[in-house]
Amino acid sequence: EDKVVQSPLSLVVHEGDTVTLNCSYEVTNFRSLLWYKQEKKAPTFLFMLTSSGIEKKSGRLSSILDKKELFSILNITATQTGDSAVYLCAAQGGSEKLVFGKGMKLTVNP
Amino acid sequence: NAGVMQNPRHLVRRRGQEARLRCSPMKGHSHVYWYRQLPEEGLKFMVYLQKENIIDESGMPKERFSAEFPKEGPSILRIQQVVRGDSAAYFCASSLRDEQYFGPGTRLTVT
Repeated sequence: EDKVVQSPLSLVVHEGDTVTLNCSYEVTNFRSLLWYKQEKKAPTFLFMLTSSGIEKKSGRLSSILDKKELFSILNITATQTGDSAVYLCAAQGGSEKLVFGKGMKLTVNP
Repeated sequence: NAGVMQNPRHLVRRRGQEARLRCSPMKGHSHVYWYRQLPEEGLKFMVYLQKENIIDESGMPKERFSAEFPKEGPSILRIQQVVRGDSAAYFCASSLRDEQYFGPGTRLTVT
């Protein structure tokens, strides 16, 4: 059965800290790995990764995929209170559906 | 460019009633997906539709749940004879190719 596992499940940091979120996956006919940020409502798209070793960056966020070891990480540098959210990792296999992890709740304290 | 729209945002139904959840995809998107999020759980895939076709319904419960995406109008997720266990957030996503963009969700509460 396809599965995605995120760790840690929750993290509390202070503003300015750097955090690393982990995501491992086992998905048949893997195609892509996606990261989303979920605040109170809609999951907001962050990154889609399809190739190993190529880092994607957006401001203070970056992400990379390792298709050999079947994992991805999401880094957030110089965290701000606005980064507090649940971060979702999802893998897409042979079908179009996304298989999600349980999410990682990040709390950034001032 | 409006994002994915869902309505209602909140829906309260008594046990045994029907729930209808609507989703309008982003402009130009022809693929629609429904996911369910239970408390303390990740999002679980339910169904994938294109216009007038159900492509993958492997995540749909076998009874009481149905989905459609007609040629005109929004996609509808219909839950008949709701039970307390149906209480959850239901999210719709749409895509043009691979990246799925999510709507704000409908929070269904069954009393």
